[in-house]
Amino acid sequence: GIQVEQSPPDLILQEGANSTLRCNFSDSVNNLQWFHQNPWGQLINLFYIPSGTKQNGRLSATTVATERYSLLYISSSQTTDSGVYFCAAYNQAGTALIFGKGTTLSVSS
Amino acid sequence: ETGVTQSPTHLIKTRGQQVTLRCSSQSGHNTVSWYQQALGQGPQFIFQYYREEENGRGNFPPRFSGLQFPNYSSELNVNALELDDSALYLCASSPSPHNEQFFGPGTRLTVL
Repeated sequence: GIQVEQSPPDLILQEGANSTLRCNFSDSVNNLQWFHQNPWGQLINLFYIPSGTKQNGRLSATTVATERYSLLYISSSQTTDSGVYFCAAYNQAGTALIFGKGTTLSVSS
Repeated sequence: ETGVTQSPTHLIKTRGQQVTLRCSSQSGHNTVSWYQQALGQGPQFIFQYYREEENGRGNFPPRFSGLQFPNYSSELNVNALELDDSALYLCASSPSPHNEQFFGPGTRLTVL
């Protein structure tokens, strides 16, 4: 089945810095989502981005489906950006989201 | 518009017991998926329900079972609980099986 790999596993930033999180997937995908998991465990939808580029405030994402990767950009990071970021892609049947292991982001003031 | 809700928020059981977790899907969504997230890991797919039928299943034993009701809410049942079943259980709903999924706040299950 599809494999999803995220890098880096951990990222430590000072407030105001920019960062790029990467997600590689092993097969072509019809759906790719980025999530932020808050300290209470809730997965917050950031982007639904099978291909192309989207922006939402300080966050943007780009998926290059032909090269099997997606990038999440965080600009001018804030302490509230801290948490775990997951990317997930649908399996071949289109039923299950396959998650990467996540990137843990820590932003200090 | 009400988002995905789950109950209970926390649950403590002992090994061998049975548990039922509940999920209400977002308005207009007919598909519910369940995931298990162990500490420090990404969520793992358990199964998906679409219009009251199981529509896909991950690598979980038969003691994990589910239901979807006519209003598209769903239950996850786990029999013969084991210590390794301790995890955060997440429910997600979507407008259709191949669409964007939206997650509830989760139920944290502890098995002693």
